[in-house]
Amino acid sequence: RKEVEQDPGPFNVPEGATVAFNCTYSNSASQSFFWYRQDCRKEPKLLMSVYSSGNEDGRFTAQLNRASQYISLLIRDSKLSDSATYLCVVNPTGTASKLTFGTGTRLQVTL
Amino acid sequence: NAGVMQNPRHLVRRRGQEARLRCSPMKGHSHVYWYRQLPEEGLKFMVYLQKENIIDESGMPKERFSAEFPKEGPSILRIQQVVRGDSAAYFCASSDMPGNTEAFFGQGTRLTVV
Repeated sequence: RKEVEQDPGPFNVPEGATVAFNCTYSNSASQSFFWYRQDCRKEPKLLMSVYSSGNEDGRFTAQLNRASQYISLLIRDSKLSDSATYLCVVNPTGTASKLTFGTGTRLQVTL
Repeated sequence: NAGVMQNPRHLVRRRGQEARLRCSPMKGHSHVYWYRQLPEEGLKFMVYLQKENIIDESGMPKERFSAEFPKEGPSILRIQQVVRGDSAAYFCASSDMPGNTEAFFGQGTRLTVV
């Protein structure tokens, strides 16, 4: 079983749609959780951290369910510029070292 | 404040040659991490270094790969006798302290072995 599993997609959605990505992780002792965004042939960039209480940043909402070892990302009112690969990232150690990346979910937003 | 700087951006090597990838962390950051992304795969941790010390190299292949972060100058990831399977994007990230869980990534070096 992979340490972090994501549906690779692609998710093709029209502009304005709401789309949700899910991710599961295997290490129940993992300390912190993130969503990163990676554009084609570019570096990953932090989108948002994920907390048990859930957190929202504009059109983006992230949720963590520790009991089910499950993380989600919801994007509302999708924009063309949201087209990218979204990486679920788990940090098992509580420090910045050894981030464990999922393979990513590809999103394509169309007109 | 410049971000994490990696060079070269693209590197082509013939099988058997050496590849040297350089990473200058963000100003004030003394913790450097190297990751490798194979085509169609997620990023995989390779090594974590502080100035002059290797802290965790559990993700490094046992042979041909080495990393350093000298007191002065950039961190270097060195791959000796490259093979086609080494073709990948190599990303460097840095952070200011081990307790800070956010790492900032450089733009990566794309290594192609021909």
